[in-house]
Amino acid sequence: DIVMTQSPLSLPVTPGEAASISCRSSQSLLHSNGYNYVDWHLQKPGQSPQLLIYLGSNRAPGVPDRFSGSGSGTDFTLKISRVEAEDVGVYYCMQTLQTYTFGQGTKLEIK
Amino acid sequence: QVHLVESGGGVVQPGRSLRLSCAASGFTFSSRTMHWARQAPGKGLEWLTFISNDGTNHYYADPVRGRFTISRDNSKNTLYLQMSSLRAEDTAVYYCARSELSGPDYWGQGTLVTVSS
Repeated sequence: DIVMTQSPLSLPVTPGEAASISCRSSQSLLHSNGYNYVDWHLQKPGQSPQLLIYLGSNRAPGVPDRFSGSGSGTDFTLKISRVEAEDVGVYYCMQTLQTYTFGQGTKLEIK
Repeated sequence: QVHLVESGGGVVQPGRSLRLSCAASGFTFSSRTMHWARQAPGKGLEWLTFISNDGTNHYYADPVRGRFTISRDNSKNTLYLQMSSLRAEDTAVYYCARSELSGPDYWGQGTLVTVSS
């Protein structure tokens, strides 16, 4: 099974500053079609998850452009260019190449 | 507007069975792969199982393989999760979700299952 490892697990951020979350997979998620099969989800407090990024770098409909996904192979990053108060919650990476596996989650909080 | 509504959760004794349902609306249900995932209290998300759009393909995560069964009724736009031999560690909020290009792209609000004597 593919294991997804996120860091950091806790991320205090000042509003307006940038934030970055890393996700590493135990196997390459790069498919022969050129896509990296990794998604990013955000679970806001008391809510169900919501998709932010799919196939490595594609923003889901309605997701603000301050969110971006990058990386290839086994190393991936979610970046928030300017954190806002509404961005608090737990961020999960998820591999979708061989069935599905979540990372442990990264809790973003406002300083 | 996409709508996924889970139901069927509740308190159940260890070893007993429970069936969850997920009513879908706002999209062509029969065209989408569907998933179940869960979240134990205070823990992260755990993917459990998926079923293809026509119901012919499915796969289970190790913790539930052999105990849980996913199914769907495309005529009723409804997804199901039959859970048997329930254990205390199955206590969680259970979410259904749909997918298209990659993994889940829209989630329901979840239903709580508590396994306790």
